[in-house]
Amino acid sequence: QSALTQPPSASGSPGQSVIISCSGTSSDVGGYDYVSWYQQHPGKAPKLMIYEVNKRPSGVPDRFSGSKSGNTASLTVSGLQAEDEADYYCSSYAGNNVIFGGGTKLTVL
Amino acid sequence: EVQLEESGGDLVQPGGSLRLSCAASGFTFSSSWMYWVRQAPGKGLEWVATIKADGIWKYYVGSVKGRFTISRDNARNSLYLQMNTLRVDDTAVYYCVKDVPGSGWSFDCWGQGTLVTVSS
Repeated sequence: QSALTQPPSASGSPGQSVIISCSGTSSDVGGYDYVSWYQQHPGKAPKLMIYEVNKRPSGVPDRFSGSKSGNTASLTVSGLQAEDEADYYCSSYAGNNVIFGGGTKLTVL
Repeated sequence: EVQLEESGGDLVQPGGSLRLSCAASGFTFSSSWMYWVRQAPGKGLEWVATIKADGIWKYYVGSVKGRFTISRDNARNSLYLQMNTLRVDDTAVYYCVKDVPGSGWSFDCWGQGTLVTVSS
């Protein structure tokens, strides 16, 4: 199965909102409500930010939110802060396997 | 506090073998599905393998089937990845990962990673 499709880059100024998309198929994103989003800072392990499309683990700011429509999921980061600058990866359960997106580098201008 | 600590990464020649280990603590390991996820230098994340809590059911990404074996020792709270017939494109940081139970393989805890380099 192919990787989920994410834009390679996104950017926004502090305080603004940014939306990162994640496109899949009916066999993954569209077929299950099991989309996750991860944040990764350079040299660090990924951190779970959103799971099951729109649930936030304890400790993740509510500036981060997720949604899904059809075969495309989205991560919205509101009120951008400097520390949000990182790589973001989506993933989807796809039936006894999980597929990741190629990643989006978020730059805070 | 949930902790995962990988070890065993090394430089190995193509065709060689390596065994990665992961020591788990801070949660009920014997009830948890466990995973290996890798990241090639400068690249994205790739799921590698999954093992159910009882160690019976295992799943692999196509590119490692028949070469890699995931296993676990619930008495030792440890996860393993036996990697045989290694290829240059297996070069990556390998992460030991735990999921959010029942969440469709959402990974809420990651180790620091161990680097496997396959090169002659």
